[in-house]
Order: sequence, then C-alpha cells, then structure tokens
Amino acid sequence: DTEVTQTPKHLVMGMTNKKSLKCEQHMGHRAMYWYKQKAKKPPELMFVYSYEKLSINESVPSRFSPECPNSSLLNLHLHALQPEDSALYLCASSPRTSGRSKNIQYFGAGTRLSVL
Amino acid sequence: AQTVTQSQPEMSVQEAETVTLSCTYDTSESNYYLFWYKQPPSRQMILVIRQEAYKQQNATENRFSVNFQKAAKSFSLKISDSQLGDTAMYFCAFMKLLQNSNSGYALNFGKGTSLLVTP
Repeated sequence: DTEVTQTPKHLVMGMTNKKSLKCEQHMGHRAMYWYKQKAKKPPELMFVYSYEKLSINESVPSRFSPECPNSSLLNLHLHALQPEDSALYLCASSPRTSGRSKNIQYFGAGTRLSVL
Repeated sequence: AQTVTQSQPEMSVQEAETVTLSCTYDTSESNYYLFWYKQPPSRQMILVIRQEAYKQQNATENRFSVNFQKAAKSFSLKISDSQLGDTAMYFCAFMKLLQNSNSGYALNFGKGTSLLVTP
C-alpha cells in the first residue's frame, strides 16, 4: 500500500479566509513533504518534515504554515493568501529523509486551491 | 546545481506502438537516483520507474524501461505497447541532497512531457 490521502480535493477561498489542507499516510513513513504545482509546471518543494520536525522551508511566505501533529498527519494552514497562490498542492511521504534508498517519495492526488 | 531537461513538451503515439521520452540531467554527484513520474489528468503523481546511478543495468517495470547512459547524463523512458491509460504528463526527476544528509533529499523535476496515446 503506497497511499497518501489528501483532503479536500478542491478548495476555493477568499483572500481573508483561513483554511487548512490535510495529508495522511499510514505506511509508517517518517518524512513528509509539501509541493506546490502551478498549471503546466513541475512541482516545486515547499516544506520537508523529518520525524515530525520541520527540516526544510524553501523560503515559503509565512501565509503558509505547515504543521505535523504526528507521524501520519501533515497539515498546511493557509491565511491571507493571494490569487497567485492558486495551484495544486501535493503532499508526499517517504520512509526516511536520510539515505537515498529510503527517500523514494509517494504522492497524494493533491488539493486544487483557488484563491479569489 | 542539478538540472533536469526534458526537451519534448508534447508527444503523441498510437495505441500498441512504442514511444521514447527523453531526459538529460546535470550533476557533479557520482551516486544518485533518477525517476520517471506519471501525472494523469486525475493529478496523482505516480512513480513509474527508478534508476540507481551505480547500477549499470537499465531498470524495467513491465512495459516501461529506461535507457540510462551515465556518461552522457541521459535517462530516457521507453513505453512499449502503449495504452490509452498511458496518456499523462511524464516528469523526469533527480533526487537532490538538501543542504546536508540530515535535511534529507527532495525531487528536482524536469518541465515534463505531455504524452497523448491515440486509438
């Protein structure tokens, strides 16, 4: 089973709203990732969590706030977003972060976010 | 810096035919992983095949195989007996080290090749 589940599948929000994206995996993976994908572009890394601790923030604006409450769950809290933040947000997980062989990443189906 | 180049933005192939998607990359590392991911209209990013650089044998997964040329830094994907369900965006990706080994690795993607399989 290589399932990563993301909810919701679609989200429309105004620039003053606060919303959250959720990602779950039950494969025992200890590394989780958020990627942002604009239309017709490749995914770009936003955050990396390793053993529930934030290890990488790729200079993401503070209006995006990640949270990893436990090893199976990853959230992305959204506040005061801009229309240019509209994109597909992909979550991924891998067994570990260290060691290339343990870093094979498995992706969820993403949340399509529209900011009005 | 590692870069991944996919020079074919779009390709088309007829059902049951064979198609090859090209990918080149640039790195100074000697050991690394390369991947092909498939993203159909459903948006799910699906791992198709992976190759470890130190392995000379080309990886194969059913109808999917790679031609890995390490010296040329080339990593092409061959899809045999193409099926309508193979229609998708295909991304070549390089596993890059983030800052240090404790920070982990992330995927550096090419721009993708949109493959259309026609009846």
